[in-house]
Amino acid sequence: DAKTTQPPSMDCAEGRAANLPCNHSTISGNEYVYWYRQIHSQGPQYIIHGLKNNETNEMASLIITEDRKSSTLILPHATLRDTAVYYCIVLNAGNMLTFGGGTRLMVKP
Amino acid sequence: NAGVTQTPKFRVLKTGQSMTLLCAQDMNHEYMYWYRQDPGMGLRLIHYSVGEGTTAKGEVPDGYNVSRLKKQNFLLGLESAAPSQTSVYFCASRTFLGGNEQYFGPGTRLTVT
Repeated sequence: DAKTTQPPSMDCAEGRAANLPCNHSTISGNEYVYWYRQIHSQGPQYIIHGLKNNETNEMASLIITEDRKSSTLILPHATLRDTAVYYCIVLNAGNMLTFGGGTRLMVKP
Repeated sequence: NAGVTQTPKFRVLKTGQSMTLLCAQDMNHEYMYWYRQDPGMGLRLIHYSVGEGTTAKGEVPDGYNVSRLKKQNFLLGLESAAPSQTSVYFCASRTFLGGNEQYFGPGTRLTVT
């Protein structure tokens, strides 16, 4: 599975959009981009995933560049409850999730 | 619909004691997983199961055993606990067709003294 690089931490003002970047320059054609988050002391929570096209659901939007070497998770109106560690994971459909360091997002009032 | 539940929530063991952690899911998921998370680290896969009666090793299986006698339950056993097994243990499940959209339980915090 391709390696990912995420900034260790980010801040965002409450009510503003949070844009979390992820680099995955070695991604191969059949690898998906998954995003999970882990709010303090809780189990991880699935957010969204995509292959080539941009995706949107009730939680977030996922923007994948045309060359697929990077992606951005967008939380359109961040709230204090979105403070968490966000994990970008790239893998083949049948492989196991591997959680790296992630980005610690702090939403501030 | 409770999702994924874990029992117990907290436990303190002495070195050499044994215990079993129970994971239950009511979503009829085929796949189930056990992870551990050490302080400040990401999750690491211990064992997993792709169906009733089947189990397989993950990244860090040593010192643990698992069983999946019923589809809805996945048990993680520590035969002789060691301080290095102090961690938070998370269980997860997903459908066969669900890609890697896993649903996680709330975790079990285990301390081995």
